[in-house]
Amino acid sequence: RKEVEQDPGPFNVPEGATVAFNCTYSNSASQSFFWYRQDCRKEPKLLMSVYSSGNEDGRFTAQLNRASQYISLLIRDSKLSDSATYLCVVSPIKAAGNKLTFGGGTRVLVKP
Amino acid sequence: EPEVTQTPSHQVTQMGQEVILRCVPISNHLYFYWYRQILGQKVEFLVSFYNNEISEKSEIFDDQFSVERPDGSNFTLKIRSTKLEDSAMYFCATKTGGDSPLHFGNGTRLTVT
Repeated sequence: RKEVEQDPGPFNVPEGATVAFNCTYSNSASQSFFWYRQDCRKEPKLLMSVYSSGNEDGRFTAQLNRASQYISLLIRDSKLSDSATYLCVVSPIKAAGNKLTFGGGTRVLVKP
Repeated sequence: EPEVTQTPSHQVTQMGQEVILRCVPISNHLYFYWYRQILGQKVEFLVSFYNNEISEKSEIFDDQFSVERPDGSNFTLKIRSTKLEDSAMYFCATKTGGDSPLHFGNGTRLTVT
């Protein structure tokens, strides 16, 4: 099983619709979780950290399910500018210099 | 907003040549990372660096790779003898603390011919 796994998509989403997708991780000891977005041939940019209680940032909502070892991202009222690849990032421990592992990304295409 | 700066943006080199990729971290960040992304593939961890030593490295980071922070500001990745398969985008990333998120530079595209 891959350390961090994502549905590659693409998810074709009508503008204004809601889209949600998950990311599963294999290491039950994982402590830190993040969502990044990556535009074509650009660097990953932090979208949001994922907290145990779940968190929301505008149209974006992230959830963590430790029992089933996955995190989720929900995008409401999708905009054309939301078209990107969304990367799940997982860190096993909260230690100095620990490796953060990226999933392969979920591609989202928002269409008019 | 402070940012991670990488140079050069694009490097073309011949197989077998040495390359040095440079990164200037955000000033109060203490943890430094190199990742790479081969075109169309996932972002892969290479190495992490803290307190002037390597914290963790991946299988990709073999004897051909090295990192250093020679002058307290730049953080460099050296590839001693490049191979065709080293062609990729190399990202430097830095963070403040153990569980804080990474901030990425805009990458160096390395092309080995």
